[in-house]
Amino acid sequence: SQTIHQWPATLVQPVGSPLSLECTVEGTSNPNLYWYRQAAGRGLQLLFYSVGIGQISSEVPQNLSASRPQDRQFILSSKKLLLSDSGFYLCAWSLPGGETQYFGPGTRLLVL
Amino acid sequence: DAKTTQPTSMDCAEGRAANLPCNHSTISGNEYVYWYRQIHSQGPQYIIHGLKNNETNEMASLIITEDRKSSTLILPHATLRDTAVYYCIVRGTLNTNAGKSTFGDGTTLTVKP
Repeated sequence: SQTIHQWPATLVQPVGSPLSLECTVEGTSNPNLYWYRQAAGRGLQLLFYSVGIGQISSEVPQNLSASRPQDRQFILSSKKLLLSDSGFYLCAWSLPGGETQYFGPGTRLLVL
Repeated sequence: DAKTTQPTSMDCAEGRAANLPCNHSTISGNEYVYWYRQIHSQGPQYIIHGLKNNETNEMASLIITEDRKSSTLILPHATLRDTAVYYCIVRGTLNTNAGKSTFGDGTTLTVKP
């Protein structure tokens, strides 16, 4: 069966510091991968998606970036965090060409 | 993606059926209706999806109107553990809109003893 992992589970970072969040998927090959952000009490905002290694599409301009160095690894990064980057970050995967997305447990980021 | 409209909150008595409505009047022909739920501080959990026909699985039933402009998620026997935020979204295929979907604010369902 497929599983999706995210770490860290929680993170507190100062403004201006770098960020690296990791997401890995097990039990499937060539998945589509997604990064979402959720503000408190709100819905999910799609940030990035990837259909393959090195292929990243950005949905919202911001100071975040994403990379996919391996087939089942998706990384969300920032060089300098802003206060507005605080939120709940969710990684999801779907089968190639599939529409159903399965979400990871999320990373809660607090920028102070 | 077509936008969806859901009530902000709903209550349901434990053991009774919970019927969660969703309007998606601008849905296009190749877009599916998906339902997810999110329990506090966890990632969203897939529940069910459909295109035209009604669907049922071990978690819920999905009723889609004939014109596809609205749908209802039915939890047949709600339990306290069904208390969550329920999201109705519409999504095309990856080739049409990259599987992008807009998650609105959802419906907060509270199941009461």
